[in-house]
Amino acid sequence: QKEVEQDPGPLSVPEGAIVSLNCTYSNSAFQYFMWYRQYSRKGPELLMYTYSSGNKEDGRFTAQVDKSSKYISLFIRDSQPSDSATYLCAMSFTGGGNKLTFGTGTQLKVEL
Amino acid sequence: GAVVSQHPSWVICKSGTSVKIECRSLDFQATTMFWYRQFPKQSLMLMATSNEGSKATYEQGVEKDKFLINHASLTLSTLTVTSAHPEDSSFYICSAKTGDGYTFGSGTRLTVV
Repeated sequence: QKEVEQDPGPLSVPEGAIVSLNCTYSNSAFQYFMWYRQYSRKGPELLMYTYSSGNKEDGRFTAQVDKSSKYISLFIRDSQPSDSATYLCAMSFTGGGNKLTFGTGTQLKVEL
Repeated sequence: GAVVSQHPSWVICKSGTSVKIECRSLDFQATTMFWYRQFPKQSLMLMATSNEGSKATYEQGVEKDKFLINHASLTLSTLTVTSAHPEDSSFYICSAKTGDGYTFGSGTRLTVV
């Protein structure tokens, strides 16, 4: 079993839809949770960073963490074609050498 | 925000030659730099962690003599792929920890012919 599980997709949605991306994890030591967006042949770009259970909102993006269920989500409202990319969840914990553990990434396509 | 500049963005080299990839933190000091490798449609695989002024720590299965990492200053880390072979062709990405997460370079696509 991988430490972090993420559905690879691809996920195709119409423009304007609400997108839900999810990751589950098995290591209860994880404390810090991140979502990255990666366009083809580019480095990942940080979208959201959170370290507590609950919701965090930034513009069209909402990150949700449920530590009791070991489940994190990223919601994208009013999705745009420019949101088409691969979304990676990542997590780390103090004492883990600051190393990030990534999900496999979900490929998202927002169609006109 | 914090920016990590990575060069070159792409490189083609002949088998047996060495290639150096540079990552610079432009507006902050990167005490620790992480080097990743990414295959098509796969996630990032951590290769090594480098700390300024000390030897890099390599992940299991990564050949330290093949992938030389130098982190001589707080703003520059380099990865040298020595005696490159076609199987080393991949996308290499560096990353540094910042106050609100991790910042990644734009990646280097290496093709060994």
